[in-house]
Amino acid sequence: EAQVTQNPRYLITVTGKKLTVTCSQNMNHEYMSWYRQDPGLGLRQIYYSMNVEVTDKGDVPEGYKVSRKEKRNFPLILESPSPNQTSLYFCASAYLASSSNEQFFGPGTRLTVL
Amino acid sequence: AQTVTQSQPEMSVQEAETVTLSCTYDTSESDYYLFWYKQPPSRQMILVIRQEAYKQQNATENRFSVNFQKAAKSFSLKISDSQLGDAAMYFCAYRSMNYGGATNKLIFGTGTLLAVQP
Repeated sequence: EAQVTQNPRYLITVTGKKLTVTCSQNMNHEYMSWYRQDPGLGLRQIYYSMNVEVTDKGDVPEGYKVSRKEKRNFPLILESPSPNQTSLYFCASAYLASSSNEQFFGPGTRLTVL
Repeated sequence: AQTVTQSQPEMSVQEAETVTLSCTYDTSESDYYLFWYKQPPSRQMILVIRQEAYKQQNATENRFSVNFQKAAKSFSLKISDSQLGDAAMYFCAYRSMNYGGATNKLIFGTGTLLAVQP
């Protein structure tokens, strides 16, 4: 089954404790992206990647890091989480050669930073 | 920069009735995509319908249809014969049709929470 997976689905942590949210897709998509969803703000892009070893900032990159060492994986790293990073996070991927570039979303990760 | 506006934070509809969710956007581009995504309580983002800006014909997917007014930069979603399973948050989104880099970004509105009354 074609899918985007994220782990963990729920995470409660404390300020300053480094964490990684994993994202993996099995569709051989070149493009991967992270969004955060906050009430009243919709979804906003954090980082994206056009292919292996190619990443760039989105609209709200502060406090986040990413890496793309393999095509299927695109982890989101919070080196020193703060309460304002409490949010719902989505990973998405897309096949760039497709005319519609439809993005497929993961199930979301609910992060709470205390 | 492009923006997407959903002015209805919440809507309610009776089962079997029709409801229209509003979306407006701002862009200087001529080629782009517009989307409606559904987010049920499971939080999964589900693509409902897609419209290419160069197509004059409004997109339709079963009970879901759009009213795309390019000149007015309006993209409303009509749900016919509403069902209990339609209850969800609905997001309108914009994406440039230019390929590569940041133009693959989806720009979302703030969402409309739809309740379906039995």
